Amino acid sequence: AQSVAQPEDQVNVAEGNPLTVKCTYSVSGNPYLFWYVQYPNRGLQFLLKYITGDNLVKGSYGFEAEFNKSQTSFHLKKPSALVSDSALYFCAFVMIYNQGGKLIFGQGTELSVKP
Amino acid sequence: KAGVTQTPRYLIKTRGQQVTLSCSPISGHRSVSWYQQTPGQGLQFLFEYFSETQRNKGNFPGRFSGRQFSNSRSEMNVSTLELGDSALYLCASSLGSQNTEAFFGQGTRLTVV
Repeated sequence: AQSVAQPEDQVNVAEGNPLTVKCTYSVSGNPYLFWYVQYPNRGLQFLLKYITGDNLVKGSYGFEAEFNKSQTSFHLKKPSALVSDSALYFCAFVMIYNQGGKLIFGQGTELSVKP
Repeated sequence: KAGVTQTPRYLIKTRGQQVTLSCSPISGHRSVSWYQQTPGQGLQFLFEYFSETQRNKGNFPGRFSGRQFSNSRSEMNVSTLELGDSALYLCASSLGSQNTEAFFGQGTRLTVV
């Protein structure tokens, strides 16, 4: 079955250090990949997407992600973490059907950035 | 531009009751999708509506249903509520094509007691 996996339930980073939140995918064809962030008691906010083109995708709030086809990965990165980046992060891909698509999410990674 | 609006934000219902949740998408968006978020199952797709037609449905029992109106607003209904239906229900709107991002509302927190 097609899926995305986030191997880490939690990532702890010190403020100012680089952060990486990992995502691997098992999707046939050319995947449409997304990262979303969820703050407590809030909905999901779109961060960035990979459809085609450059493997390095830049998104909101200084985040970027690198699409790596050989390693089937789409890791989320930020050069310098902020305490305000602490949240739940979801990797997702679009499963295509009937001219539409539905998001299939990973299980989420809790990012904690300490001062 | 207004975002996706979900009402109500919180609901408490009793087992066996039914509930209706509402979602107003971003103006111009014709696709509305619903997701259920629980600690155990994570985020799961419920269904998607596009131009008042259900395009796809997730693996949920028939107690879960929805509809979309001509102004793209959508409602989802859950009948005969069970304790396991307690969850955050998220609505997402998009332009409707496969490679466009979805914009989520803040969700409706449903608690079944």
